[in-house]
Amino acid sequence: NAGVTQTPKFQVLKTGQSMTLQCAQDMNHEYMSWYRQDPGMGLRLIHYSVGAGITDQGEVPNGYNVSRSTTEDFPLRLLSAAPSQTSVYFCASSYSGAEAFFGQGTRLTVV
Amino acid sequence: GENVEQHLSTLSVQEGDSAVIKCTYSDSASNYFPWYKQELGKGPQLIIDIRSNVGEKKDQRIAVTLNKTAKHFSLHITETQPEDSAVYFCAATPGGTSYGKLTFGQGTILTVHP
Repeated sequence: NAGVTQTPKFQVLKTGQSMTLQCAQDMNHEYMSWYRQDPGMGLRLIHYSVGAGITDQGEVPNGYNVSRSTTEDFPLRLLSAAPSQTSVYFCASSYSGAEAFFGQGTRLTVV
Repeated sequence: GENVEQHLSTLSVQEGDSAVIKCTYSDSASNYFPWYKQELGKGPQLIIDIRSNVGEKKDQRIAVTLNKTAKHFSLHITETQPEDSAVYFCAATPGGTSYGKLTFGQGTILTVHP
């Protein structure tokens, strides 16, 4: 049981580039979500999914897209990277929407 | 939407002392309140949680209390150890269709001095 796996662990992008942060879980959890963590601001919800084919926006969705074609995977797409998107990104999953399991994070720098 | 305030940004204690971290929340519909511990370079890990139908929950050296009337909840760590040093986050989530959308506090850096 790997839990929640995020790739890559580190990434440097140039302004305007696009990329996809991968998230996979092997616990058959219906709920998956993406958060960003910035110093002094805790974790803020970007996008959220309650099952395959269903996604919803969180607190800070602008500049990010998601889709959920399978229960296992929930990729986060940055369409045109901006320096303001420099952050640490965490993916989480949960069975019931309550106890969330987090991945190890992706540290993204946009220059 | 929900707003969660974590009032202490840092807390230093001596080994063996107790530590208490308090959070307040704004949405009276919130009904699930987890606490996460984050060590350097790692993702947050759930350490204890409480639901709105319970006032207190304990798990060995850690406990969480909830006051729904005042809309605050607290993490209590007794007999602190150096390995308790980490960042602690509180969170809340409302019920209904928003269940599972966690709103986090800003985090408290706990340092336990040997």
